[in-house]
Amino acid sequence: AQSVTQPDIHITVSEGASLELRCNYSYGATPYLFWYVQSPGQGLQLLLKYFSGDTLVQGIKGFEAEFKRSQSSFNLRKPSVHWSDAAEYFCAVGLGGGGNKLTFGTGTQLKVEL
Amino acid sequence: EPEVTQTPSHQVTQMGQEVILRCVPISNHLYFYWYRQILGQKVEFLVSFYNNEISEKSEIFDDQFSVERPDGSNFTLKIRSTKLEDSAMYFCASRGGTGKYETQYFGPGTRLLVL
Repeated sequence: AQSVTQPDIHITVSEGASLELRCNYSYGATPYLFWYVQSPGQGLQLLLKYFSGDTLVQGIKGFEAEFKRSQSSFNLRKPSVHWSDAAEYFCAVGLGGGGNKLTFGTGTQLKVEL
Repeated sequence: EPEVTQTPSHQVTQMGQEVILRCVPISNHLYFYWYRQILGQKVEFLVSFYNNEISEKSEIFDDQFSVERPDGSNFTLKIRSTKLEDSAMYFCASRGGTGKYETQYFGPGTRLLVL
């Protein structure tokens, strides 16, 4: 069965600093990869996704992520964090097919210091 | 922009009671999902639904759970006899039917508390 690991439960960065959130997955083939963000009281909003092709994908709000097959990783990055980026970030994998259920990591809570 | 909506936002119930959580998926979507997130834990898949039947379910989705699309717009999750451990945030999601690359869009969730 596929699994997703987000090793950092909490991360604190200063506003304007760069950000990298880690995600590793375990699966025999290349899954479909997603990053979602959840602000307090809100649902899960899709930031970006990787299905195939270019391994560097751009998302909304200035986020990007790079798929590295050799490391089974899909880390999320942002060059300059804004205070409004404080939220919980979830990495997820899907196997495609008709059902296409998602398997989520445990999430990383991002705090931004002003 | 179209979005998935869920009602109620919060629900408190007594153990053993039945609850129905409601979702209105995005109107032209064909695949529907329920996930849950117990406080402090990861988001977990419960069930997927397509063409008026369950296409996949997890081991969590036992006989106490059922899903239904009673009309053209609503998608419901029923828990027949709630247990304390059913307390969680329940998310509904929907996906378009144009291919396996389609993305799931999530609602804001219903926070269920079983006392």
